[in-house]
Amino acid sequence: TQLLEQSPQFLSIQEGENLTVYCNSSSVFSSLQWYRQEPGEGPVLLVTVVTGGEVKKLKRLTFQFGDARKDSSLHITAAQPGDTGLYLCAGAVIHGGSQGNLIFGKGTKLSVKP
Amino acid sequence: ETGVTQTPRHLVMGMTNKKSLKCEQHLGHNAMYWYKQSAKKPLELMFVYSLEERVENNSVPSRFSPECPNSSHLFLHLHTLQPEDSALYLCASSQDLGVGNTEAFFGQGTRLTVV
Repeated sequence: TQLLEQSPQFLSIQEGENLTVYCNSSSVFSSLQWYRQEPGEGPVLLVTVVTGGEVKKLKRLTFQFGDARKDSSLHITAAQPGDTGLYLCAGAVIHGGSQGNLIFGKGTKLSVKP
Repeated sequence: ETGVTQTPRHLVMGMTNKKSLKCEQHLGHNAMYWYKQSAKKPLELMFVYSLEERVENNSVPSRFSPECPNSSHLFLHLHTLQPEDSALYLCASSQDLGVGNTEAFFGQGTRLTVV
């Protein structure tokens, strides 16, 4: 069974603080995606990382794919209340009958207080 | 406009009812998916369709019956559900199934409550 472990599960911080959330697996993925989901809505794609060691930046968000393509991190600088939401990572499997399907982590629920 | 539209947004149904969830995508994608999102669990993939053909059924009980009449529309027919089936049901689409084309675009979901 392929699993993606996300940590921490919950994070509550003050506006202006920095934070990092992690996504780890024992499986190798062809790509890894990060989504943000707000209450009552579907997940929205933030970024896709494909190459081991790749770093992508999206304004105050920095995404990194591990060298072995088994893990990823999301770092937010100077968090704002608008960053509040559930952050999900999803790995695209390489082998097996589920090729092309995504394996999701349970998510990190972030709350940024003003 | 999210590109993927789900209706209804909320649904309350009894265990003996029959209802259907609808999903429509306007992105020209070839693959569509149904996911179930329950509290404290990861998103669970239920069904995968590629070019209107079902390519995956992840051991989903037969009380859930998908239908994909064309590449833009996906339905989930529900009958004799159980209270534990209450969850957020999410539809998604992607360009294709192949590796490298798996970025998923989700609808807003249907919040289902079974009473």
